[in-house]
Amino acid sequence: KNQVEQSPQSLIILEGKNCTLQCNYTVSPFSNLRWYKQDTGRGPVSLTIMTFSENTKSNGRYTATLDADTKQSSLHITASQLSDSASYICVVSPNYGGATNKLIFGTGTLLAVQP
Amino acid sequence: DVKVTQSSRYLVKRTGEKVFLECVQDMDHENMFWYRQDPGLGLRLIYFSYDVKMKEKGDIPEGYSVSREKKERFSLILESASTNQTSMYLCATAKTGARGHGYTFGSGTRLTVV
Repeated sequence: KNQVEQSPQSLIILEGKNCTLQCNYTVSPFSNLRWYKQDTGRGPVSLTIMTFSENTKSNGRYTATLDADTKQSSLHITASQLSDSASYICVVSPNYGGATNKLIFGTGTLLAVQP
Repeated sequence: DVKVTQSSRYLVKRTGEKVFLECVQDMDHENMFWYRQDPGLGLRLIYFSYDVKMKEKGDIPEGYSVSREKKERFSLILESASTNQTSMYLCATAKTGARGHGYTFGSGTRLTVV
């Protein structure tokens, strides 16, 4: 069964510190892997997207890495800010062929940044 | 920027009511999706549509139906709302062949059924 698992479930860090969120997946073959940020009560917003051939992708203080051999991805947040407090969701797009855009979602890591 | 607009941020409905959740997009995306999001379960696909008047069941279609009469609008219908349909509902759109690229979510509708 295609799955996406994230760890930790929740995380509390102090403002200014770095953190790393993990994503393990069993989806195969896959087309791309995406990290979303979801603020409380809002829809998810894309942070990064990587195809299976990419190892890393950055978006400001967010850096995602991908190891397609071990089926692992991580999201590293540098110099955290209070506004980084949100749920971070790892999403994998299977490569089923055709035009279907079905995605497989992890359950997210809830990050709280404290002053 | 693609805009995906969901008509209501918060809704409170009574058990047994018929509920309509509306989603409108302003780009020319062929694909539209309805998800529900519950704590600990992540996003689960209810229905999706890859063209006008076309619809496909997702993973949890029971108790829901959809309508896509125009390309820009995708409606989710709860024929007879029940308390277990209390959830956050998210609409998303994507261009055909994009394989996740350009996938865009609306802001969500928090539905409470009492």
